[in-house]
Amino acid sequence: DGGITQSPKYLFRKEGQNVTLSCEQNLNHDAMYWYRQDPGQGLRLIYYSQIVNDFQKGDIAEGYSVSREKKESFPLTVTSAQKNPTAFYLCASSRTDNYGYTFGSGTRLTVV
Amino acid sequence: GQQVMQIPQYQHVQEGEDFTTYCNSSTTLSNIQWYKQRPGGHPVFLIQLVKSGEVKKQKRLTFQFGEAKKNSSLHITATQTTDVGTYFCAGGGNMLTFGGGTRLMVKP
Repeated sequence: DGGITQSPKYLFRKEGQNVTLSCEQNLNHDAMYWYRQDPGQGLRLIYYSQIVNDFQKGDIAEGYSVSREKKESFPLTVTSAQKNPTAFYLCASSRTDNYGYTFGSGTRLTVV
Repeated sequence: GQQVMQIPQYQHVQEGEDFTTYCNSSTTLSNIQWYKQRPGGHPVFLIQLVKSGEVKKQKRLTFQFGEAKKNSSLHITATQTTDVGTYFCAGGGNMLTFGGGTRLMVKP
């Protein structure tokens, strides 16, 4: 079955360390997205990519970086410049017409 | 930029009662999508509405898109404990803008 895989499910890091979250899809979707969700809150867009080798900043891109070298993969790096990195990170993908985003199961990042 | 607001933020209902969440956009939307996120889970796509005034049903769930394509609602008839979760609307365009969600809690 096609889907979108995020790993790891839980991640713990010390303050000041960079960390990379993995996101892989086999749905042949062109567009991929990273969202951040804080407890009891909605989804805030970090970065998105509509085509390989191209990506755009979302609403809260500061302290994050991404790459899109392959259609299937869209890793997110949380850098030490991100002030409050502890959150639930969701990756999503969609067809070009944005019909029905498919979300991964998320990565819960805790920075101590 | 486009803003999508949802109300209420939280809703407690007794099992068997009805539930409605409302979504309002600051701009006209090309489409509206609805998602459900179970506690501890990830958002799952429910439906997309495209036409002005469109109404779609999925069992006990009824989705409406306003005539001006700036608002939408999700109505659940006779809630069950399995309906618990957060319901998000998302306005379509070049890319989706998500509302803040309505968290539904159902007392058995």
